[in-house]
Amino acid sequence: AQSVSQHNHHVILSEAASLELGCNYSYGGTVNLFWYVQYPGQHLQLLLKYFSGDPLVKGIKGFEAEFIKSKFSFNLRKPSVQWSDTAEYFCAVNAGYTGGFKTIFGAGTRLFVKA
Amino acid sequence: EAGVTQSPTHLIKTRGQQVTLRCSPISGHTSVYWYQQALGLGLQFLLWYDEGEERNRGNFPPRFSGRQFPNYSSELNVNALELEDSALYLCASNGGRGNQPQHFGDGTRLSIL
Repeated sequence: AQSVSQHNHHVILSEAASLELGCNYSYGGTVNLFWYVQYPGQHLQLLLKYFSGDPLVKGIKGFEAEFIKSKFSFNLRKPSVQWSDTAEYFCAVNAGYTGGFKTIFGAGTRLFVKA
Repeated sequence: EAGVTQSPTHLIKTRGQQVTLRCSPISGHTSVYWYQQALGLGLQFLLWYDEGEERNRGNFPPRFSGRQFPNYSSELNVNALELEDSALYLCASNGGRGNQPQHFGDGTRLSIL
């Protein structure tokens, strides 16, 4: 069965620290990959996406993610986090199947950035 | 542009009751997705509607059902409520190609007593 694994459920960092959130998926075919973010009190919103082309994708607010096909990974990175990055981050994989597409979300990673 | 809107915001029910949640997609979006976000479990896919038809269904029992109306708004119905149905129910929409990013509403918080 298709699945998405986010390695860390909770991450605590100090401001200016570097961030890397892991995401691995299990699906052998073509996939579209997403990271969504949910800031406190706000709805889920798209951070970045990968469909094809350059495997290093840049998103909003200085975030980037790298698709490594051989490792079935799509890790999220940011060189220097800010207090305002405190949020929950969800990795999502969209894959084709007979009849359409299916999007599977990871369990989420809660990031807390200390000022 | 108005975002995805969901109603009600909060709902309290008791075991065995039935509930209907509503979602209005972004104007121009034909697909609506429903997710259950229970504590610590991430988003669990429930249903996908596009152009009035159910396109895909997650691993939930038949007492979870829904429909999409001609104006692309959608309802999620849950019958015979159980305690474990307590969760945040999120609705999302996109242009209907199935693989495009989804735009989420604020959710309906359902509490079962």
